[in-house]
Amino acid sequence: QVQLQESGPGLVKPSQTLSLTCTVSGGSISSGFYFWSWIRQPAGKGLEWMGHIYTSGSTKYNPSLKSRITISVDTSKNQFSLKLSSVTAADAAVYYCARDTEKTLAFYYWGQGTLVTVSS
Amino acid sequence: EIVLTQSPGTLSLSPGERASLSCRASQSVSSSYLAWYQQKPGQAPRLLIYGASSRATGIPDRFSGSGSGTDFTLTISRLEPEDFAVYYCQQYGSSPWTFGQGTKVEMK
Repeated sequence: QVQLQESGPGLVKPSQTLSLTCTVSGGSISSGFYFWSWIRQPAGKGLEWMGHIYTSGSTKYNPSLKSRITISVDTSKNQFSLKLSSVTAADAAVYYCARDTEKTLAFYYWGQGTLVTVSS
Repeated sequence: EIVLTQSPGTLSLSPGERASLSCRASQSVSSSYLAWYQQKPGQAPRLLIYGASSRATGIPDRFSGSGSGTDFTLTISRLEPEDFAVYYCQQYGSSPWTFGQGTKVEMK
């Protein structure tokens, strides 16, 4: 059973770069054909898909994040990561990592989420 | 970008009642790539329905999804106490993948 766990700083200063990692257990991040995604949810609000990295290493990002986002994979650590630059208060949210399955591109596996606050 | 509009915003019902939640897309969702999620406070969303009408593993059969094109519905046939939560639809047929704003099902 695949399990995902987010980690990273809970507090980031405005204009700095937010960096989070999702550690994958119960399977290899380099096997199969899956989309490894980041999704965020500001407090009391809805969900926003930020982007994903495919098993092949190709990426796709939400245009709303323009050029601020980078998703990468570290196969040696069985992790994938999110970097979001030039953060503002609008980037404060719970950040989730998620993955699809062989049956569907929808998000079946989710991490528990990690809260990121943006404040000086 | 496909905008998903969910209605109603809040649904007040009693256990045992039937719930019908609507999700309308601004453009046709290709290949019915439409999913429904349930989210409870402090928890990650849980996938209920994918492909508009297929139940995810372990989801009770009181949850059903229907629709195609731009109009989709999630139906909960008889509400159980654990079903009171927020429900989101999501399309994954066109990038960027997008979510609806959610429907809260609250206990009357």
